[in-house]
Amino acid sequence: NAGVTQTPKFQVLKTGQSMTLQCAQDMNHNSMYWYRQDPGMGLRLIYYSASEGTTDKGEVPNGYNVSRLNKREFSLRLESAAPSQTSVYFCASRAVNSPLHFGNGTRLTVT
Amino acid sequence: GDSVTQMEGPVTLSEEAFLTINCTYTATGYPSLFWYVQYPGEGLQLLLKATKADDKGSNKGFEATYRKETTSFHLEKGSVQVSDSAVYFCALKGQGGSEKLVFGKGTKLTVNP
Repeated sequence: NAGVTQTPKFQVLKTGQSMTLQCAQDMNHNSMYWYRQDPGMGLRLIYYSASEGTTDKGEVPNGYNVSRLNKREFSLRLESAAPSQTSVYFCASRAVNSPLHFGNGTRLTVT
Repeated sequence: GDSVTQMEGPVTLSEEAFLTINCTYTATGYPSLFWYVQYPGEGLQLLLKATKADDKGSNKGFEATYRKETTSFHLEKGSVQVSDSAVYFCALKGQGGSEKLVFGKGTKLTVNP
């Protein structure tokens, strides 16, 4: 099983550029999440999707959009990247009453 | 809102030393509590969990007990190994159907031979 797969692993953007971070899980989980990890800040929830067709804001949604394309895939889009969005982004998924399964992260640098 | 406070790192220990990483929480009702571990270059992995007061979660020699009276979930290991070097995160999930997991800021542990 691949688990949670994130692409790309690394990305460098210039301010104002856009990009989409991809996430797919093969565990038939209903819920999927996007977190960002910053030094000294721990993990902060950006958006989550409790089931296919639904999305909700987390703690730090500004500057991001998400799409739950189907049960497997949950993408995160930056429409106009800013240096403050330099971070490591983690996608996660879980089944009901089960712990989170994380991908290996996307390291994004915005210059 | 719900929150988790864990001891600041970094923590540096010698192999076979005793480890404690403190974690306290603020939440209404009876949240579920978790410890996650992140090895270099990887995502987080569940280390252990407890879902009700006085439960003890354990895995790979690590233990943590859910203490409702002190709102704590401290992580302990009697004898650490070099391979335990990682970042450890305490987390909680609110009672009921909450979808959100709230994480502490993480504690980096380095174990020297």
